[in-house]
Amino acid sequence: DGGITQSPKYLFRKEGQNVTLSCEQNLNHDAMYWYRQDPGQGLRLIYYSQIVNDFQKGDIAEGYSVSREKKESFPLTVTSAQKNPTAFYLCASSIVAGTDTQYFGPGTRLTVL
Amino acid sequence: GQQVMQIPQYQHVQEGEDFTTYCNSSTTLSNIQWYKQRPGGHPVFLIQLVKSGEVKKQKRLTFQFGEAKKNSSLHITATQTTDVGTYFCTFYSGNTGKLIFGQGTTLQVKP
Repeated sequence: DGGITQSPKYLFRKEGQNVTLSCEQNLNHDAMYWYRQDPGQGLRLIYYSQIVNDFQKGDIAEGYSVSREKKESFPLTVTSAQKNPTAFYLCASSIVAGTDTQYFGPGTRLTVL
Repeated sequence: GQQVMQIPQYQHVQEGEDFTTYCNSSTTLSNIQWYKQRPGGHPVFLIQLVKSGEVKKQKRLTFQFGEAKKNSSLHITATQTTDVGTYFCTFYSGNTGKLIFGQGTTLQVKP
């Protein structure tokens, strides 16, 4: 069964804790992306990776970190430096970056208490 | 940087009425993609337009790309409750590989 998986669906953390969100794809896509969505807003790009072992900052990278050690995995860490971490986080992938359809995972809703 | 504006932000219609959302850019776009996000769900790709003046149809949905490639529209004929959701127009920015999202139009359909 091909696709993108994100876990967990809901996540609660205390303020000041780092938390890592999982994103895995078995579509053999080169490019992967992390977006943040706030209520009533569009999607804002946090980080993206065009190929394994490489990634670039998006528009709102401050307070976040990523790694891309494997083609199928692109975990996102929300650090304690992120001022307003409560949001809906969406991971996506595409065959290559720049022209292709992006396929989204189901998302993780993070609440920081 | 490049961005797109979508109007309206919200639209409430009676089931069976038509609906249109517009996407406008101040600069020429190489492509436009439309995504739909159901409430509580994730964005799902609908279509991509790349040619000036292009019109594509998917059942009751009609997508247009303007002649100047600065605007696009999505028209739904005879809305149904299954059309509820937020519709985003997006485009790839230059050679950065970044997909830029509009703010979306949220459609509510009253049965």
